[in-house]
Amino acid sequence: GAGVSQSPSNKVTEKGKDVELRCDPISGHTALYWYRQSLGQGLEFLIYFQGNSAPDKSGLPSDRFSAERTGGSVSTLTIQRTQQEDSAVYLCASSLESEGSGNTIYFGEGSWLTVV
Amino acid sequence: SQQGEEDPQALSIQEGENATMNCSYKTSINNLQWYRQNSGRGLVHLILIRSNEREKHSGRLRVTLDTSKKSSSLLITASRAADTASYFCATDNPILTSGTYKYIFGTGTRLKVLA
Repeated sequence: GAGVSQSPSNKVTEKGKDVELRCDPISGHTALYWYRQSLGQGLEFLIYFQGNSAPDKSGLPSDRFSAERTGGSVSTLTIQRTQQEDSAVYLCASSLESEGSGNTIYFGEGSWLTVV
Repeated sequence: SQQGEEDPQALSIQEGENATMNCSYKTSINNLQWYRQNSGRGLVHLILIRSNEREKHSGRLRVTLDTSKKSSSLLITASRAADTASYFCATDNPILTSGTYKYIFGTGTRLKVLA
């Protein structure tokens, strides 16, 4: 597709269950981000993938959170043993990468996770 | 953390007035970007300003950058009801292990423009 695609758009899960959120970045974009946004709050950085470099996982809030990016394209964010405080919108974004910074970041529409 | 802080957190103005939002950050940057978010979904890029620039314009948007104060402002002139949204600044952060950069977003300003 032309934009960043995320699925599911909405997910309701029971506390303690595992969830997987998928992100399909724009074709050719080597940089991929996951952010979390609680209701009415700012964006919390979770993880950053860039080409073949080791991902920057410094924003993952606990070891229940993990993410993979297969073949430099699709990414999956996995939350194990979900807790109610995990309820939020999970935003994926991608960008081209050139020397230095300054690339526009393109966002998906997000996956709204509700843990009940 | 490098996370920027926008102020005010919320702003309510009448249509036709100007809206000014400020962003402060903590460490040196190469550039700063402003984004807009409607209804808590995906963000859309508005404008980028580089560290060697002091002011930039795009349509009704005017962005300033003061690297000595580590702050930026976004001005929307002649606001419209359709400008109602949340606005975020984003700053680049070097990742030393890879030589690349990641973007950290601020806390956002929720703008409401009343018709």
